[in-house]
Amino acid sequence: NAGVMQNPRHLVRRRGQEARLRCSPMKGHSHVYWYRQLPEEGLKFMVYLQKENIIDESGMPKERFSAEFPKEGPSILRIQQVVRGDSAAYFCASSPRDIGDGTEAFFGQGTRLTVV
Amino acid sequence: GESVGLHLPTLSVQEGDNSIINCAYSNSASDYFIWYKQESGKGPQFIIDIRSNMDKRQGQRVTVLLNKTVKHLSLQIAATQPGDSAVYFCAETGGKLIFGQGTELSVKP
Repeated sequence: NAGVMQNPRHLVRRRGQEARLRCSPMKGHSHVYWYRQLPEEGLKFMVYLQKENIIDESGMPKERFSAEFPKEGPSILRIQQVVRGDSAAYFCASSPRDIGDGTEAFFGQGTRLTVV
Repeated sequence: GESVGLHLPTLSVQEGDNSIINCAYSNSASDYFIWYKQESGKGPQFIIDIRSNMDKRQGQRVTVLLNKTVKHLSLQIAATQPGDSAVYFCAETGGKLIFGQGTELSVKP
């Protein structure tokens, strides 16, 4: 059973371009969480999705950021018109059930976005 | 707002010594806590968890203690090894994981 797969591992974008980050959860996991980590800082929650539904997007910036988890395929975190402040590591985690029930969440290796 | 914070940003210990990493949380309604280890360039890795109805839980070389009265969580690592060098995060759940700032553990040979 492969772990949570994120791609690309590294992504470089110029200011104003779009960044698309992909996350394939572990097999059998229908809950996906996205986090952002700035250098020397902790992980900040962005969004929690289940298949085809956004459950909690309280950590998402109001503009330029969107996320989806379609019925088929990976979860996508999309950042439009990137700015230098978007440079960070973006981590995805998945779980088979709501982690509030005490279910372990497994993290991917992250995508490191650099905006130049 | 809700937050999970750590007392010390860095901790340096001698190989073979025990390590204690502390964490304070503010949401008294949280009922599930987790410690993660993050090595450089990698994603967080689950170490050990504890429910709010427990005070202590032990794993292999690791022990988590929960003091609900003062909303304090600690991770104890016995016989610390160089491979334990990493950043350690505590996290609480309330539908989503809320992470603390992290403590960087450095093990001296």
